[in-house]
Amino acid sequence: QSVLTQPPSVSGAPGQRVTISCTGSSSNIGAGYDVHWYQQLQGTAPKLLIYGNINRPSGVPDRFSASKSGTSASLAITGLQAEDEADYYCQSYDSSVSGYVFGIGTKVTVL
Amino acid sequence: QVQLVESGGGVVQPGRSLRLSCVASGFTFSGYDMHMHWVRQAPGKGLEWVAIIWNDETTKYYSESVKGRFTVSRDNSKNTLFLQMDSLRADDTAVYYCARQRHSGSGEYFDYWGQGTLVTVS
Repeated sequence: QSVLTQPPSVSGAPGQRVTISCTGSSSNIGAGYDVHWYQQLQGTAPKLLIYGNINRPSGVPDRFSASKSGTSASLAITGLQAEDEADYYCQSYDSSVSGYVFGIGTKVTVL
Repeated sequence: QVQLVESGGGVVQPGRSLRLSCVASGFTFSGYDMHMHWVRQAPGKGLEWVAIIWNDETTKYYSESVKGRFTVSRDNSKNTLFLQMDSLRADDTAVYYCARQRHSGSGEYFDYWGQGTLVTVS
């Protein structure tokens, strides 16, 4: 069972907007630790998508955005494209386990 | 450009040992704040953080699931990160990734990942 809770799956038609939630607790997100997001295409290594709650690395399209509030964070994909079909993971630090934690991952399906 | 290349995976019997390597290039491996991590992913499962080692090897931390069995180390003269895995168990079966750490305002993240190496304990 992951420390950070994500929905197992979300789906949307091309062009639509989908959001993925990441719910933590007072020992991780709620403690003020930043949330980061990764995209993992089938059969490949994870790729950094968002760092420091809201920042996109160079090369990541601006249809990806994220936010953080309280003990939760969320990732939004606007203008969904077929190439966005992948698994998405949130990540933070947790003081109760003194380590880095990931969400279970959310599979995004483009209908 | 930054590259991380893992090797050393394979099939190993329970209770035996295996040593993974990760060769880094494209950045100053021993540079300030160039802390490195191992992250694993069991087949069909999510990501699990395994270990961190600071750039100067002075600090190492492990997840509870591997503490006492796995040892992380690095050879900065060879730009190489290692993971010595002893007393392997079936639930250690996973793809193992090395990843480079960077700092954000209030946390750390992994900006570059290797392609992974598969360890099967059976």
